[in-house]
Amino acid sequence: AQTVTQSQPEMSVQEAETVTLSCTYDTSENNYYLFWYKQPPSRQMILVIRQEAYKQQNATENRFSVNFQKAAKSFSLKISDSQLGDTAMYFCAFMKQPTRNQFYFGTGTSLTVIP
Amino acid sequence: DSGVTQTPKHLITATGQRVTLRCSPRSGDLSVYWYQQSLDQGLQFLIQYYNGEERAKGNILERFSAQQFPDLHSELNLSSLELGDSALYFCASSGRAPSTDTQYFGPGTRLTVL
Repeated sequence: AQTVTQSQPEMSVQEAETVTLSCTYDTSENNYYLFWYKQPPSRQMILVIRQEAYKQQNATENRFSVNFQKAAKSFSLKISDSQLGDTAMYFCAFMKQPTRNQFYFGTGTSLTVIP
Repeated sequence: DSGVTQTPKHLITATGQRVTLRCSPRSGDLSVYWYQQSLDQGLQFLIQYYNGEERAKGNILERFSAQQFPDLHSELNLSSLELGDSALYFCASSGRAPSTDTQYFGPGTRLTVL
């Protein structure tokens, strides 16, 4: 079975600063995908970034980047130049490949950006 | 806007009742997924359909059922509702190139069982 662990239930960061959210996972699979989703107060689930396990290069999307350590089964999200709109719950998710079916979600990290 | 639509947005009903939640996937997506998010909890996978066929099943109760129709929209049926079924129910879809693996979520249906 796959498990995803987010060990930081709540975090806060000053506006314009950098914050890193942690995620670890447990799997015996070699090929898989990893995702970060954010859920703002509107409760909409919004894709932040995705990473294929076979790619060594860390994914980057504007102010969001990941530190993917496959051997350590770690997938952290770094948010640079934090903005008030980044305040949200952030979920780490794992998906096996090639079955590409369900996501296994972590329990989430609630991030608050302080003005 | 993810392109995934869900109706209704809110639903209030009583214990013992039956409700149907509807989802229309993004244009071109063949897979539909249903998730349940209870208060202050993460998302629990319920079930996946691919092009009309059930593909994977998660923690879905026997009181719950789903189907995907030829036009690819999906419905989640919840029956004999209990207070504990109150939750946000998300539908997601995937399959359209180039990111065939990425799931795009609808806005959710908030179900309240009184």
